[in-house]
Amino acid sequence: DAMVIQNPRYQVTQFGKPVTLSCSQTLNHNVMYWYQQKSSQAPKLLFHYYDKDFNNEADTPDNFQSRRPNTSFCFLDIRSPGLGDAAMYLCATSRVGGSRQRERYEQYFGPGTRLTVT
Amino acid sequence: QQQVKQSPQSLIVQKGGISIINCAYENTAFDYFPWYQQFPGKGPALLIAIRPDVSEKKEGRFTISFNKSAKQFSLHIMDSQPGDSATYFCAASIERGSARQLTFGSGTQLTVLP
Repeated sequence: DAMVIQNPRYQVTQFGKPVTLSCSQTLNHNVMYWYQQKSSQAPKLLFHYYDKDFNNEADTPDNFQSRRPNTSFCFLDIRSPGLGDAAMYLCATSRVGGSRQRERYEQYFGPGTRLTVT
Repeated sequence: QQQVKQSPQSLIVQKGGISIINCAYENTAFDYFPWYQQFPGKGPALLIAIRPDVSEKKEGRFTISFNKSAKQFSLHIMDSQPGDSATYFCAASIERGSARQLTFGSGTQLTVLP
């Protein structure tokens, strides 16, 4: 089944130790998003890629970076995690310009990576 | 203007009852309104969605009612089941540049009692 896959599902890192979360998709979608979701809150968009074009949200801290080496993969790098960065990180995909109406509008989420900072 | 307001924050319903969650928006440029269901420790899953040119959409036990003039939309879950217990997010979507921007409501934690 076509899907959005995130690895690892659970990640524990130490305060200040860089960490990388990964996302892959088999949907062949041209847009990939990273969201941060803290407990009991709605997902908050950090940034997205349209193909190789990176688009950062204005309030995303510099501590968060992303890479998209190809259509299928996207990485979230947290350079120096703080305790406040503990959250669920969600990857999502969508297709801009798709011919199927439903596909043009929807975002498909992965299962998330739960990040703990000790 | 980009906010989506969702209520109630939490909802407890008996098995077989109707669950109703309401959302309101300001930006009339939003052109797609999805509802997401999220279980603890999982990513949001698209449940049902509607476009503003339609007043109602039904899929199984789930119905969206949409009032364009009032800028409100709601999710109705008929015959609610304990397995429906989850957090529900409404959202409003708009194409912004190279992508779709989703603005989420604050979420409703639904508990269906057996």
